[in-house]
Parts: sequence; structure tokens; C-alpha cells
Amino acid sequence: DQQVKQNSPSLSVQEGRISILNCDYTNSMFDYFLWYKKYPAEGPTFLISISSIKDKNEDGRFTVFLNKSAKHLSLHIVPSQPGDSAVYFCAASGGDKIIFGKGTRLHILP
Amino acid sequence: SAVISQKPSRDICQRGTSLTIQCQVDSQVTMMFWYRQQPGQSLTLIATANQGSEATYESGFVIDKFPISRPNLTFSTLTVSNMSPEDSSIYLCSVPRGRGPNEQFFGPGTRLTVL
Repeated sequence: DQQVKQNSPSLSVQEGRISILNCDYTNSMFDYFLWYKKYPAEGPTFLISISSIKDKNEDGRFTVFLNKSAKHLSLHIVPSQPGDSAVYFCAASGGDKIIFGKGTRLHILP
Repeated sequence: SAVISQKPSRDICQRGTSLTIQCQVDSQVTMMFWYRQQPGQSLTLIATANQGSEATYESGFVIDKFPISRPNLTFSTLTVSNMSPEDSSIYLCSVPRGRGPNEQFFGPGTRLTVL
């Protein structure tokens, strides 16, 4: 049973537009949520995180929104740039446990 | 930030053999983590390796299959024993960023193919 789901395996967005990546979780015990970015042949790189006591966290072009009642979080990238083309992993943690989603491959189109 | 290297970067192995993956960090860290990413799947934590103590394995992973060494604060190895094609995965080590919970620096990964 997947506790963290990224239902879109891939997403294509025009350069300059907004990219929205979605993530759903099932376990109410999760209290910290993270996004990682991964380029081919490299390890994942931490991107942004959010605590369950917040509903929004912003870092430059990246904003993560958390809707606890819906058990849903999203990553917004504005404006999207060619270097944003990568696989994005959502992760949820609680206590000592961290669970990753399967990832969404983002393609930024010229 | 931490710089992490892994060796080998990739390997192709025969069924029944074992492979030891090395992870080197450029700074001293108490905890190191080992993950597996099977094709099309998410990253799954195998175990946590603390220097000076036995590794802590997650459910579904056992020491006989994935023995781990942690001889000092900058180095760890993961051995994949008696390999089968189902062990074909990317294996990654990571260390804490030292900020929020589970914020980690990851190594580049070792791509293992078992024939």
C-alpha cells in the first residue's frame, strides 16, 4: 500500500509557465514533507520542505502548499526554466520514518 | 553541504554473487543511510548505519542479505549478497543535512544489474 502517491508519472510545461506537481499521502502521523529533485545519473537533491504546522513555504521560484485535511501537497515552480527538467520526488516523514513517492518526471518545453 | 561519492557507479553481476558498494563522505557524520530504488519504484530505506553500533534495518531488509559496515565517521559499505535479478536497482547512500527532519544529502548512486 503506497503511503505517498504521485499520480502523474510525467508532466510537460512550457518554459516560463507554472509547473504544479502533486502529491497525496495517507498517514495522518506524517508531520514533515519534503521535495527532492533528481537529474539522471545523480542522487536526489533536497529542494524544499514544509512542516505540518504550516500551509505554505516559499523559496525563490519554488513554493510548497500543504492541505492537511485533504492529505495533499503540491510544489509550484514559477516561472519554469529548462534546468527544472528532472524527476521530482515527494516525501513524507513522521518520527523516524520517511516514505518517498515514485516521482514525477517534469519536462520543460522550449 | 556534504559531498558524497559512491563506488562503483554501476556494475553488472551474475546471479548468486555478492557486490560491496562503498560510500565516502567529505565530513564526519554520525548517521548514514542506505536506500534502494527498484526500477519504476520509489526510494526505499534499507538501513541506518551508525558508527560504532550495529546497523538498524527497516522492515523487509535483513542483515544476512544486506550486511553493512561503518568503520568510521566518513565511510560505510553495503553488500548485496547472493544476488538475484530482483536486486537490480539503484543503491544510494545519504547523510543528514543537519536541518529539518529527514533532509538529506544523497550520493550519486550505484546502478546494479543482476543477470
